[in-house]
Amino acid sequence: GAVVSQHPSRVICKSGTSVKIECRSLDFQATTMFWYRQFPKQSLMLMATSNEGSKATYEQGVEKDKFLINHASLTLSTLTVTSAHPEDSSFYICSATTPSGFAYEQYFGPGTRLTVT
Amino acid sequence: AQSVTQLDSQVPVFEEAPVELRCNYSSSVSVYLFWYVQYPNQGLQLLLKYLSGSTLVKGINGFEAEFKKSETSFHRTKPSAHMSDAAEYFCAVTFPNAGNMLTFGGGTRLMVKP
Repeated sequence: GAVVSQHPSRVICKSGTSVKIECRSLDFQATTMFWYRQFPKQSLMLMATSNEGSKATYEQGVEKDKFLINHASLTLSTLTVTSAHPEDSSFYICSATTPSGFAYEQYFGPGTRLTVT
Repeated sequence: AQSVTQLDSQVPVFEEAPVELRCNYSSSVSVYLFWYVQYPNQGLQLLLKYLSGSTLVKGINGFEAEFKKSETSFHRTKPSAHMSDAAEYFCAVTFPNAGNMLTFGGGTRLMVKP
């Protein structure tokens, strides 16, 4: 149980285009989803926290107009990187929590590798 | 504010040698502690967690971790490393009323040599 999927697993896009990454909880309802960014050989950096049906809360320094997050249902959150640039190339990971799961535990997706050319 | 420090960015060990991955945290409130593993190009998998109770937590594959409040540490150990243990390991902390938000350490790459 508690499986989180991400789609796509890899995406290459041209500079200036937008890319949407989906995060789904497959067998549970995720009241809260988190989006992380990870650079090579570095730790995870929290970008934003999204709660179903409300606006996402962005961490300091994360451009909310550039990284659009939508948590439209209890099983789906999306991250859209708008007007992507090469410096946006990174590994993006989502995670989800559920009130019915173990307290304080996050379930992580497999990640999405974004390359902007 | 909480912070997590993983003292070693890399830990090289020989196969079948004991392993210790160190994690220290800083917090003014009670914390909950986690160890995650990440394999290349994959997400994170939970290995161990300390919420309350026994301070010695046992995980899968022979790893265990001990919460030492006096030392603000949650080091992870294994008596004998296997090649399959080679991966990136992250220590993380959260606390009550944090909305399950995790603060991660910088990660430790465990390298197992034959």
